[in-house]
Amino acid sequence: DTEVTQTPKHLVMGMTNKKSLKCEQHMGHRAMYWYKQKAKKPPELMFVYSYEKLSINESVPSRFSPECPNSSLLNLHLHALQPEDSALYLCASSPLWLAGGQQFFGPGTRLTVL
Amino acid sequence: EDQVTQSPEALRLQEGESSSLNCSYTVSGLRGLFWYRQDPGKGPEFLFTLYSAGEEKEKERLKATLTKKESFLHITAPKPEDSATYLCAVRIQGAQKLVFGQGTRLTINP
Repeated sequence: DTEVTQTPKHLVMGMTNKKSLKCEQHMGHRAMYWYKQKAKKPPELMFVYSYEKLSINESVPSRFSPECPNSSLLNLHLHALQPEDSALYLCASSPLWLAGGQQFFGPGTRLTVL
Repeated sequence: EDQVTQSPEALRLQEGESSSLNCSYTVSGLRGLFWYRQDPGKGPEFLFTLYSAGEEKEKERLKATLTKKESFLHITAPKPEDSATYLCAVRIQGAQKLVFGQGTRLTINP
């Protein structure tokens, strides 16, 4: 299995809702990432997990809460989002974090906040 | 300041018309340059990794090259299915993340 999967593909939520995004990989990678991408812009890093520990938080607002329950799974919990948080949320993984190497991206979750 | 600049921002070609995309970088120490292809509404798809000046990688109609200041993605005899946004990203020595360029939107007309 050489892919990163993300669910759901699309999500529409109100500003008072609580929802979660899920990401899974079975490549044995020990680094996993969350990115946010707005239209016609490159991906922006949000969080990095290395060996299931949060290693980077790029000053992301607390309404985004990441979780890494095990080495294959990464969640992003969403609460009290704003309309400007609407974007494509991408998960990625790589064999190791600091050793370099390419990142493998999932298909993304298209999030719309009403 | 570490910077990655891609040009052109958008490129429209006829099918079969070869061209090159540019990724220039100003970084303190390159630890890898990555090319990705991204279709609308989808995640980036990995294409190539280049680590040192002079290195070249090829895949079908695409060829990536690297110098000390820039990388080129050459596309030979493109087809409409090559239409996508091509992203360049660099990993910098001591840095803990990829720095992405703004991308080049490539359109191949039949």
